[in-house]
Amino acid sequence: AQSVTQPDIHITVSEGASLELRCNYSYGATPYLFWYVQSPGQGLQLLLKYFSGDTLVQGIKGFEAEFKRSQSSFNLRKPSVHWSDAAEYFCAVGVFKAAGNKLTFGGGTRVLVKP
Amino acid sequence: DAGVTQSPTHLIKTRGQQVTLRCSPKSGHDTVSWYQQALGQGPQFIFQYYEEEERQRGNFPDRFSGHQFPNYSSELNVNALLLGDSALYLCASSLAPGGNGYTFGSGTRLTVV
Repeated sequence: AQSVTQPDIHITVSEGASLELRCNYSYGATPYLFWYVQSPGQGLQLLLKYFSGDTLVQGIKGFEAEFKRSQSSFNLRKPSVHWSDAAEYFCAVGVFKAAGNKLTFGGGTRVLVKP
Repeated sequence: DAGVTQSPTHLIKTRGQQVTLRCSPKSGHDTVSWYQQALGQGPQFIFQYYEEEERQRGNFPDRFSGHQFPNYSSELNVNALLLGDSALYLCASSLAPGGNGYTFGSGTRLTVV
């Protein structure tokens, strides 16, 4: 069975500083990987996804993520954070089969942005 | 282009009662998945509906059931509510079971007292 671990529960970063969120996954086949962001009281918004090809994936809002198969990781990065980036971030692995598909999420990382 | 619409946004129920949550998928999507997100946790997969059938199910008891209608909208029903069912229930829509794009709604916040 697949699983996702986000080792950092909380991260505090200063506005304008860089941000990196860690994600490790466990899955027996080639993974489909996602990063979502959730603002308080809101649903999930897709930041980026990886299915195959280039291991450096660009997303919305200036985010990027790098897939490293040897480390079973899919870390999310942003060079310069804005106060509006304060939110909770979820990494997920997708299992897609003809019979159906589902996402398995990590526990999330809450990002706080200091002025 | 309307995204995923969920109703109601909030509701409070008493232990032992039954609840029905509703979801209208994004225009053009035909598959609906439901997720439960307890406070401070990541979402957990409940089940997925396609062609009005349950295609895949997560580790949830039979108290959780669902339905998909011909217009692709969906309902999530929970019977015999427990305090532990208090959570944000998220609906996600996509195109076909093998589709790789999910659009999430804003969720229904269920509180069981």
